[in-house]
Amino acid sequence: DGGITQSPKYLFRKEGQNVTLSCEQNLNHDAMYWYRQDPGQGLRLIYYSQIVNDFQKGDIAEGYSVSREKKESFPLTVTSAQKNPTAFYLCASSITPGQYNEQFFGPGTRLTVL
Amino acid sequence: AQTVTQSQPEMSVQEAETVTLSCTYDTSESDYYLFWYKQPPSRQMILVIRQEAYKQQNATENRFSVNFQKAAKSFSLKISDSQLGDAAMYFCAYRSIGGATNKLIFGTGTLLAVQP
Repeated sequence: DGGITQSPKYLFRKEGQNVTLSCEQNLNHDAMYWYRQDPGQGLRLIYYSQIVNDFQKGDIAEGYSVSREKKESFPLTVTSAQKNPTAFYLCASSITPGQYNEQFFGPGTRLTVL
Repeated sequence: AQTVTQSQPEMSVQEAETVTLSCTYDTSESDYYLFWYKQPPSRQMILVIRQEAYKQQNATENRFSVNFQKAAKSFSLKISDSQLGDAAMYFCAYRSIGGATNKLIFGTGTLLAVQP
């Protein structure tokens, strides 16, 4: 079945460590996105990529980094510079940015800093 | 900048009854898209319904319908014949047309409980 997978489902990090969250899609979508969800808040955009080898910062990119070496993959690294990384992270994809196409979401990764 | 407001943090409805979730937004754009997403306890985001601002007719998807009032910048979701499986967090979202991204702007969500 086509869809978006995120791994791991739960991730624990010690302070000062970088961690990488995986996002893979087999929908042949061009665009991919990373959102952060905190209690009492909606989703906020961290980074997005419209095409392979290209990505742009979203609203809350500080302390995060991404890469887009393959169309199917858009990993997110939470660096030690991110002051409050404990949150739920959602990856999404859509066919083509700039047109009306819904975003499909993965199941998410819950990151906890110990 | 566009903003989306959901003023009801929590709502409750009896099974088989009808409930309406409110959403207002602020924008200076004339054309845009509006969405309602559902996030059940599994936390998987699911698109419920979408509305193009240039369409006057309210969108409907089975038991889900919207009341889109463009002048009032209001986009409420009505769930008819509520079912236990409708219990979830519901998010209203906005997207510009023709922007450089497909960025969604979300409200803070409404947690819907369905009572048997």
